[in-house]
Amino acid sequence: IQMTQSPSTLSASVGDRVTITCRASKSISSWLAWYQQKPGKAPNLLIYKASSLQSGVPSRFTGSGSGTEFTLTISSLQPDDFATYYCQQYSGYPFTFGPGTKVDI
Amino acid sequence: EVQLVESGGVVVQPGGSLRLSCAASGFNFVDYAMHWVRQPPGKGLEWVSSLSWDGDNTYYADSVKGRFTISRDDRKSSLYLQMNGLRPEDTALYYCGKDVGVAGTYIDSWGQGTLVTVSS
Repeated sequence: IQMTQSPSTLSASVGDRVTITCRASKSISSWLAWYQQKPGKAPNLLIYKASSLQSGVPSRFTGSGSGTEFTLTISSLQPDDFATYYCQQYSGYPFTFGPGTKVDI
Repeated sequence: EVQLVESGGVVVQPGGSLRLSCAASGFNFVDYAMHWVRQPPGKGLEWVSSLSWDGDNTYYADSVKGRFTISRDDRKSSLYLQMNGLRPEDTALYYCGKDVGVAGTYIDSWGQGTLVTVSS
């Protein structure tokens, strides 16, 4: 299953509402996770099962979608949110990640 | 607190072999599937391999199938990745990841990675 993300880079300001799209080459139901990665750090789980918020993740992050199209929305961008975001499907092996979306200033 | 500490990454020549280790603590290791994910310098994440909680089921990316072997030692709470026939395109930071459950889904805890460089 191929995963694509758009845009590849997103320039935004603090306080902006940001939306990232992830598409699967075939239906994955809701078997999708979102991760955030900051430079020099390991990824961090944000969302699982397309829309479930991982414990400890701020509520400004929301996930939605099912089937082949998914979105990650940050309701009000904070300085700590400038990072690269990846989607990952776990509908079946081999698992696959999207190419990433870099959110910068 | 969950901790995953990878080790074993070095510079190795093409065609060489290497074994990566991941020492786990802070959770009951025997109850969870585990994963390896890699990231080439400056690039995105690539899933490499997964192992079920009981070690009975292994899964590999096509790019490493037949060359890499994932295994676990529950007595030592450790995950391994035996890498043979290494290629320059295997150069990456290799992360160990803990699954949320037994079968293999998504990763809820990550190590800090160990760097493998394949170069002559």
